Amino acid sequence: QKEVEQDPGPLSVPEGAIVSLNCTYSNSAFQYFMWYRQYSRKGPELLMYTYSSGNKEDGRFTAQVDKSSKYISLFIRDSQPSDSATYLCAMRVLDQFYFGTGTSLTVIP
Amino acid sequence: ETGVTQSPTHLIKTRGQQVTLRCSSQSGHNTVSWYQQALGQGPQFIFQYYREEENGRGNFPPRFSGLQFPNYSSELNVNALELDDSALYLCASSLVDRAYTEAFFGQGTRLTVV
Repeated sequence: QKEVEQDPGPLSVPEGAIVSLNCTYSNSAFQYFMWYRQYSRKGPELLMYTYSSGNKEDGRFTAQVDKSSKYISLFIRDSQPSDSATYLCAMRVLDQFYFGTGTSLTVIP
Repeated sequence: ETGVTQSPTHLIKTRGQQVTLRCSSQSGHNTVSWYQQALGQGPQFIFQYYREEENGRGNFPPRFSGLQFPNYSSELNVNALELDDSALYLCASSLVDRAYTEAFFGQGTRLTVV
């Protein structure tokens, strides 16, 4: 079983839709939870991070962590064509860092 | 742009050869980490350097090694290249206490082993 599971998609939504991206994990010791966005031919770009259960909001983005269910989510409100990218979840425990495989998102104008 | 630069951008090597990839950190950052990203996969953590010493390592064999220099730039060395080493190699820089939560990535080096 992989440490972090993420549905690779692809996910295609119309402009303005609410997007929900999810990851599950198996290691209850994970301490930090992050979301990265990766455009084609670019390195990942940090969107948000959190270390506790609950919600964290930043503009159109909301990160949600449920440690009891070992489940994290990223919600994108009012999605834009510029949001089209691959979204990677990532988690850390001590000095080990694990990424999900990424979900490919396309927002159609 | 993040200020993290990697060179070269693309590289083709033959199986069994050795390769060195380079990374210049963002100004003010003292920690560098390296990742391998195979096509269609998420990045896999190789190792991290702080104060010129390795202070964290993922599940990679010893033929993957690194260096960090006093100016915080870094090298990734891979010996005895295998076909499965073909991937995008990413470098990320940060401050040591934010190495995982606020790491900034370069554009990567695309390595092809033939």
